Amino acid sequence: GAVVSQHPSWVICKSGTSVKIECRSLDFQATTMFWYRQFPKQSLMLMATSNEGSKATYEQGVEKDKFLINHASLTLSTLTVTSAHPEDSSFYICSVPGTEKGGNTIYFGEGSWLTVV
Amino acid sequence: DAKTTQPTSMDCAEGRAANLPCNHSTISGNEYVYWYRQIHSQGPQYIIHGLKNNETNEMASLIITEDRKSSTLILPHATLRDTAVYYCIVRFDNYGQNFVFGPGTRLSVLP
Repeated sequence: GAVVSQHPSWVICKSGTSVKIECRSLDFQATTMFWYRQFPKQSLMLMATSNEGSKATYEQGVEKDKFLINHASLTLSTLTVTSAHPEDSSFYICSVPGTEKGGNTIYFGEGSWLTVV
Repeated sequence: DAKTTQPTSMDCAEGRAANLPCNHSTISGNEYVYWYRQIHSQGPQYIIHGLKNNETNEMASLIITEDRKSSTLILPHATLRDTAVYYCIVRFDNYGQNFVFGPGTRLSVLP
């Protein structure tokens, strides 16, 4: 079954509005979650690391004021795309650290398609 | 984390074994080899990982060379649903460490 749940699966919004994407860890308590972005025909790119109870860590080139991340509990992180532009249209994927065969791995959500019109 | 090199794309006939290679010549002694796949419009799915020994699970087998500079993911009986992009990632086994994705191999399973 799913370990990580994202909502919504897809969303269309108008330019200038804000959109919130939720990421829930179903099986693990997560002090850390990761947010990735994937443009068509490209690989996943890490945007930021979400830290429970503290500020997120953003990758170089990712605007923290535009992509607001909140990690208020051990099972929920949210990504808010503020003042969305068409170039923000992308596939957003969250992930949660977990274990597999005793090793440390990451489980990914189903992803959220954002289309800004 | 060490860099990996994979072929851009591969084809495989349905029902046959799919062998996906990965080169990681700069891998360090404590880095693991992970394989994920991404079916179109979905999040990546964990397949298998290993350090030195060959590994097998219900999805696939992972063969790691003795010098650990390369590995092969084997899907023993490929089905059309195995069509996806397969990512080979080398990474330390640390909790909370993210994965760095390369372009992967686009596997097409043909009927």
